[in-house]
Amino acid sequence: ETGVTQTPRHLVMGMTNKKSLKCEQHLGHNAMYWYKQSAKKPLELMFVYSLEERVENNSVPSRFSPECPNSSHLFLHLHTLQPEDSALYLCASSQDPSGRTGGEQFFGPGTRLTVL
Amino acid sequence: GNSVTQMEGPVTLSEEAFLTINCTYTATGYPSLFWYVQYPGEGLQLLLKATKADDKGSNKGFEATYRKETTSFHLEKGSVQVSDSAVYFCALRNTGGFKTIFGAGTRLFVKA
Repeated sequence: ETGVTQTPRHLVMGMTNKKSLKCEQHLGHNAMYWYKQSAKKPLELMFVYSLEERVENNSVPSRFSPECPNSSHLFLHLHTLQPEDSALYLCASSQDPSGRTGGEQFFGPGTRLTVL
Repeated sequence: GNSVTQMEGPVTLSEEAFLTINCTYTATGYPSLFWYVQYPGEGLQLLLKATKADDKGSNKGFEATYRKETTSFHLEKGSVQVSDSAVYFCALRNTGGFKTIFGAGTRLFVKA
């Protein structure tokens, strides 16, 4: 497999459920990101991990809990979500921006989440 | 703070028409600038980038020039195709930073 993969591609959950989104990158990058993409809203950065350490946490509600066990994997644990959390959740990776590559991000296809 | 403003869509064009999507930015320092494209049902993918003033990024017939004097990075293509129908995002990232600032996106429809 190449690039950035995300599973599942679609998820429907009730407000009392607990689920996890998974992201895996096969590019040898050392930074990983979670974004939320809602209709008619700009892309929202949620979390950034660099070398498995969280470096950015953009005032995200605690019902979203990220985990980065190694530089290739990133999880987003979900619990007691609200209907307004329904969105496309995108994972991305990049080389450390302080390197020479320019810092562009490579995105996965996203998980379409619906909260009932 | 840093920000990106791009023209609101949707933009509807006929095949082979000329495309311009305007993008302006505000930033401290010397950011890198990007255009990403999102096709239906997919994540974003990098279309082109420029890392310093007067650089021109190009890919698949699309071009954009980093204009520091006008703080702009407008996307152009001379002849669009139906397959170019997608949402286009302008973005910036400051050197050494982890945060990429995205514009709101411009949806392009190309009719045959």
